[in-house]
Amino acid sequence: DVKVTQSSRYLVKRTGEKVFLECVQDMDHENMFWYRQDPGLGLRLIYFSYDVKMKEKGDIPEGYSVSREKKERFSLILESASTNQTSMYLCASSFKGLGSYNEQFFGPGTRLTVL
Amino acid sequence: QKEVEQNSGPLSVPEGAIASLNCTYSDRGSQSFFWYRQYSGKSPELIMSIYSNGDKEDGRFTAQLNKASQYVSLLIRDSQPSDSATYLCAAIGGTSYGKLTFGQGTILTVHP
Repeated sequence: DVKVTQSSRYLVKRTGEKVFLECVQDMDHENMFWYRQDPGLGLRLIYFSYDVKMKEKGDIPEGYSVSREKKERFSLILESASTNQTSMYLCASSFKGLGSYNEQFFGPGTRLTVL
Repeated sequence: QKEVEQNSGPLSVPEGAIASLNCTYSDRGSQSFFWYRQYSGKSPELIMSIYSNGDKEDGRFTAQLNKASQYVSLLIRDSQPSDSATYLCAAIGGTSYGKLTFGQGTILTVHP
């Protein structure tokens, strides 16, 4: 079974703090993704990576950065957390290729609260 | 402009009925389509994928794809209260290699 894990289920941080969210997958997937999910706004893509050290902006990259130094690990960084970044953060991974390879598997999510 | 749209819901069906969830997409180049189920407070879980026109069945779930009409649907037969969740439709567009575009989701409630 594909396993995607995230470093924390719940996290509380203060405004202005630097926040690291980590995601690890054990299926040798090339693609990894970070989303945030908010009520009424659905899933929104923040960043994704299709290979080690490669990254692409998603729909809402402002205020975030990412790091992918190893294939299995993809980190999301909030450089200076703000209250509007309070959200559920979801990591996902998939193989490259077409068809079934595009199935994305999600981690359990991190509910981040910024005070 | 939304690229994947789902019937807004919420949808309520009695236990044992067929629940029908619908999705349309705007990118004619979309190649693969997925249905995810998401329970409240949990992450999305893949339940069906479909790539070719027609029907694909897996247990009580049937996914239907009509590329000419740009339409994807999910039928849940013999609905159970445990099927109560938000269902997300997703597509991979022809130019969005690896990236899924998600619909807003449809909340399904199955009442005993």
